[in-house]
This record gives sequence, C-alpha cells and structure tokens, in this order.
Amino acid sequence: NAGVTQTPKFRILKIGQSMTLQCTQDMNHNYMYWYRQDPGMGLKLIYYSVGAGITDKGEVPNGYNVSRSTTEDFPLRLELAAPSQTSVYFCASSQGGYTFGSGTRLTVV
Amino acid sequence: KNEVEQSPQNLTAQEGEFITINCSYSVGISALHWLQQHPGGGIVSLFMLSSGKKKHGRLIATINIQEKHSSLHITASHPRDSAVYICAVLGGNAGNMLTFGGGTRLMVKP
Repeated sequence: NAGVTQTPKFRILKIGQSMTLQCTQDMNHNYMYWYRQDPGMGLKLIYYSVGAGITDKGEVPNGYNVSRSTTEDFPLRLELAAPSQTSVYFCASSQGGYTFGSGTRLTVV
Repeated sequence: KNEVEQSPQNLTAQEGEFITINCSYSVGISALHWLQQHPGGGIVSLFMLSSGKKKHGRLIATINIQEKHSSLHITASHPRDSAVYICAVLGGNAGNMLTFGGGTRLMVKP
C-alpha cells in the first residue's frame, strides 16, 4: 500500500495563479484532511471530509476549496494564490489511526 | 489555556540519555497520538493510545486517562531521534479531528 500520496512535492506560484494540490489514499479511509504548517508553527486544519461527497471547513479555509468525489481523492484548490499561502501543506487520512502524506512545499511570490 | 499542552517546548540531550516528553490535555478523549516530524520532513504517527502503555523499539508511550496525561519516553537516545514530537488528541468529534499540542523540539547531540 502506498498510504497517502501528495503531489507535487514542491511548487512556486506567482501571485494570482491557481493550482491544485493532489491527495490520494489507498487505505479506504473515510476521513481525509488538509493541513497547513507555517514555519515554526503547528498544524492548522484547512478543510476536512468525512466521506465521499461531504466536505467541511476547518480552522483556516479562506482562499481554498476542496472536493471529494471519490473515497480515494481529496484535492485542494487554490484559486488566486497570495503570499500568505506560502506554507507546507499536509494531507492526511484516518480511520482510527492517522496517516499523513509527505507534504507539499508551496511558495507564492 | 490550550486544550493540549506539551512540555518541554525545547529539549537538548546528549546521546544515550533517557528522554521524557509530557502531554496534558483538558478535554475528554477517545485516543491520543504521538507524532514525529524531522526537520523539513513529513509527519509520522508513532503511537495511538487509548489506555496503558505501548512500546516500539526504543520508544515507549504511556497514558493515564484519569489524570489526562501522556508521556513519550526515548531510551538510549540517538542523534537521529532529533525531531519535533507532537501530541495530538482525538476528542470523539464528528470529523474524527485531532487537536494538536504545540510540539517539543528535541535535539540529541553526539
């Protein structure tokens, strides 16, 4: 099993550009999450999903959108990138235990 | 006051030392996780506990539900143990979401 796979690992965006961070899990977990981690800080929840077709806002959802059309995939969309979105993004899935992806380091310039 | 408090925030040890990181929480929980994050790296789940004690190699995690306290111990510490250790609790909310402690930054010197 691959666990939780995130792509890309690194990305530089210009202000105003859009991108989608991909997240796929192969463990048939119902729960999936997107977190951001700013330098020296803890994890903050952006969005989460309790199952296919269901998503909900976390602590810091502004500037982001998500969808959950399948159990496996939970992409995170940035529509108009801003420097404040420079961060490391982690996807995770859960069904009891938690499994994290390896992270996406995003820089907005 | 944060719901999950870790201590210490920073810890420097010499190789071979026994290390303890503490976590206290103020809410009812269904489980507690200990996570490890190496500098610039991903996040790995070390343990998930709901009672008692678990051991994996040189790592031991304990939890006391009545006292709302958990400890992570590292025996015979090694420089490769240098990382941030994060305590996170699962409160039985609908989204199965974790509440994170602030992390303990551990440096083990050779």
